[in-house]
Amino acid sequence: QSALTQPPSVSATPGQKVTVSCSGSTSNIGKNYVSWYQQLPEVAPKLLIYDNIKRPSGIPDRFSGSKSGTSATLGITGLQIGDEGTYHCATWDTSLSVWVFGEGTRLTVL
Amino acid sequence: QLQLRESGPGLVKPWETLSLTCNVSGVSVSSRSYYWGWMRQSPGKGLDWIGVIYYKGDTFYNPTLKRRVTIFVDKSKNQFFLNLTSVTAADSGVYFCTRPWDIGSWFDPWGQGTLVTVSS
Repeated sequence: QSALTQPPSVSATPGQKVTVSCSGSTSNIGKNYVSWYQQLPEVAPKLLIYDNIKRPSGIPDRFSGSKSGTSATLGITGLQIGDEGTYHCATWDTSLSVWVFGEGTRLTVL
Repeated sequence: QLQLRESGPGLVKPWETLSLTCNVSGVSVSSRSYYWGWMRQSPGKGLDWIGVIYYKGDTFYNPTLKRRVTIFVDKSKNQFFLNLTSVTAADSGVYFCTRPWDIGSWFDPWGQGTLVTVSS
């Protein structure tokens, strides 16, 4: 069982917006920055969001991150077929001194 | 541009040692303030952090794996390595090398991953 809780799956149609939630605790999300990773089928994870809200260069502004209390959210607007894959949240757990991840959320673009 | 690529045996026998190599290109593995790390992903599961090594050689391991893990660097080959001893089927999965930007921060980039199966 992961320290961070994500919904197993979300789905939407092309062009729509979708959000992926990531719920943690006061010792992880509540105290530390959250990062998000996109893992397309058969491909390595790719950094999408870091420090809760920042996008690395090359990541389109269709992707956004937010954090409130012990939860974080990834938003994707203008959904494309190519966005289908699994999205992982991650942060540091101050009490355990480990990085913790969610189980991943599978995005289906119908 | 920093690129990482894992290599190693795809099949390891139970109770033996899993040894993986991460080849680093585009930057020196001994670059100041750089960390290097290993992750894994069990089939159908999320990502797990295994451990990291600082450019000075300091290591930080996941407590659940600490007794079995060693990460080290070969500066002459610009590579870093993972050894995981006494493996069982639970250690099967895809192993990734990556660069953590600091302890507690994000990971970027990632290698393409290498599949390891523990089986006799």
